[in-house]
This record gives sequence, C-alpha cells and structure tokens, in this order.
Amino acid sequence: EPEVTQTPSHQVTQMGQEVILRCVPISNHLYFYWYRQILGQKVEFLVSFYNNEISEKSEIFDDQFSVERPDGSNFTLKIRSTKLEDSAMYFCASSEVPADRAPEAFFGQGTRLTVV
Amino acid sequence: AQSVTQPDIHITVSEGASLELRCNYSYGATPYLFWYVQSPGQGLQLLLKYFSGDTLVQGIKGFEAEFKRSQSSFNLRKPSVHWSDAAEYFCAVGESRKGSTLGRLYFGRGTQLTVWP
Repeated sequence: EPEVTQTPSHQVTQMGQEVILRCVPISNHLYFYWYRQILGQKVEFLVSFYNNEISEKSEIFDDQFSVERPDGSNFTLKIRSTKLEDSAMYFCASSEVPADRAPEAFFGQGTRLTVV
Repeated sequence: AQSVTQPDIHITVSEGASLELRCNYSYGATPYLFWYVQSPGQGLQLLLKYFSGDTLVQGIKGFEAEFKRSQSSFNLRKPSVHWSDAAEYFCAVGESRKGSTLGRLYFGRGTQLTVWP
C-alpha cells in the first residue's frame, strides 16, 4: 500500500540552527501539507502546497518557515532558525484530487524535532 | 472559525466492552469529517470518513461513526474493544476547497484510549 514517508524520525538540533524535514508523498498525489503537534496539544495545520506554490498557511507559518518541492518527489519543510518552542512532532500529509471518490489526507509517521 | 472538541481526554475500557468516543465540531456548512488513530511511534492512520450520504459510516478495524447534523457530532463507536485498540484517537474536520479537493484539517485534542485486559 502506498504511504507517505518522512525522514528523519527524530532530529535534535540546537536553538538557532536550521533544520530541514523531509517527506516523500504518495506518488500520484497533488496536494501536500505540513502539520505539527506540540506535546500534549492539538495537531495544528501549518501549510498546504499545490502546483509548486503555497495554497494556504496558518498564522504559525511565519517567515522562519518555508516549504519546497525540489525534485518532484520530495516535499521539505525548512525552519531557518529554530526556537525552543518549535519542538514538536511534524507530520507531512498528501492528498489527491479525486476523479470519482472522496478526498482524504494520508499522513506520514512524523518527525520528532527536539530543539535544545 | 472551524473547531473540533473531543471532551474526553482519556478513556479506559475493559477488553470486550463497547466504546464511544465523542466529537463535536463547529462549522458553517456540511463538513468533511474524519477519525484518525495514532498508535505509539506511528503516524496518523485514517479510520473512517464522512463526506455525504449515509450518516452512519463504517471504517477499518470494526469502527463506525455517525454524523448527527442536529448535534454537530461525529461520535466514534466500536461494539467490542480489543487490547490492540489502545491508542490516541483524533477527530478532524475538513472543508472542501476548489471543488472536490481537500483543504486544511482542524483536529481535536485527541482521546487517549486505555484497554484493560
């Protein structure tokens, strides 16, 4: 069964460092998303991406964040200068534009980011 | 703004007992509704979804959920819980964008299910 894969599963970084979280969405999907879950809190939407541009972003997704689909298969989330409060589980998801069935988002296993 | 409420943070049931996890949402139109499950160390797995039609939807692992528009609810049920069902369960609301595409999802806080042997 096709799945969304994320690497790494766990990343520890020092405050102020840049991190790149990587995702490989399901191959025929066209919409891509990043969500995060701070420990003990809700899963929160960060950004959606379609046709090589951001289609929607939340108030969380400030100038420190960026997304890219560099090579047609990977979908990355970059945090330019990490802060302690960026520590969270980051989920990548993808969905397709259906021809004959209802859309759904498929989630990866997540990358746990710890900023120290 | 859309919101999702899962009033139960933690539920404990005995194996073989029935289960109902509550979910209420706030949304202006008919939403897309989802239940996801997250086992330890795993990602979010879709259990079931509601888009339109029959308000009682069947999902994987023997789960079902019923959409009640009058109560703005989408409660998840299972008649007999198995120890392997212990996990965290998330209700989510989505909205249609640009036709049949899926926009952002709004998640509840999750309900942690513990199953006693």
